[in-house]
Amino acid sequence: KQEVTQIPAALSVPEGENLVLNCSFTDSAIYNLQWFRQDPGKGLTSLLLIQSSQREQTSGRLNASLDKSSGRSTLYIAASQPGDSATYLCAVKNARTGGGNKLTFGTGTQLKVEL
Amino acid sequence: DVKVTQSSRYLVKRTGEKVFLECVQDMDHENMFWYRQDPGLGLRLIYFSYDVKMKEKGDIPEGYSVSREKKERFSLILESASTNQTSMYLCASRRREGVYNEQFFGPGTRLTVL
Repeated sequence: KQEVTQIPAALSVPEGENLVLNCSFTDSAIYNLQWFRQDPGKGLTSLLLIQSSQREQTSGRLNASLDKSSGRSTLYIAASQPGDSATYLCAVKNARTGGGNKLTFGTGTQLKVEL
Repeated sequence: DVKVTQSSRYLVKRTGEKVFLECVQDMDHENMFWYRQDPGLGLRLIYFSYDVKMKEKGDIPEGYSVSREKKERFSLILESASTNQTSMYLCASRRREGVYNEQFFGPGTRLTVL
């Protein structure tokens, strides 16, 4: 059974710092990996999706990498801003028979960017 | 711009009531999903649907049912609400199977059962 872990559970950084959020998964048989952002009391906003054949994806100040063989992904945020404060979740789409349409989610990293 | 909407942001119901949560997407997506999110437990899949009138149980279907009569609409039904169903409910949609298909979420419904 696929398990997705995000460490650390919470992170506090000063404004302007570059930071890395980590996501690891136990089964490398995945179709893709997606990073989401969730603000308190709100739904999830899709940030980036990386196909299993890709190594990285970029969107603005965000860069996500994927090392499928080692079961790891990182989300790099450049020049962090207070508006980046949110919970970041990663999710993998499983490729094995029986994985169906399901995404397996990590429990998230709660990021706080301080002035 | 892609959009998933949910009928209510906040809902308060009493134990035993029948509760309907509605979700609508305007992206012509085939797949739709209902999750609940609880502190410490993360997102858990309740039900999903891969086409009109098709449904499949997720990880925690007990106490819930769903309806998909039209492609754009996916309803979650709590037949007899209980206090342990107090939670944040999130709807999502996604294009039919393909490697590169993002999943999009609605804003969520915070349900409180008294």
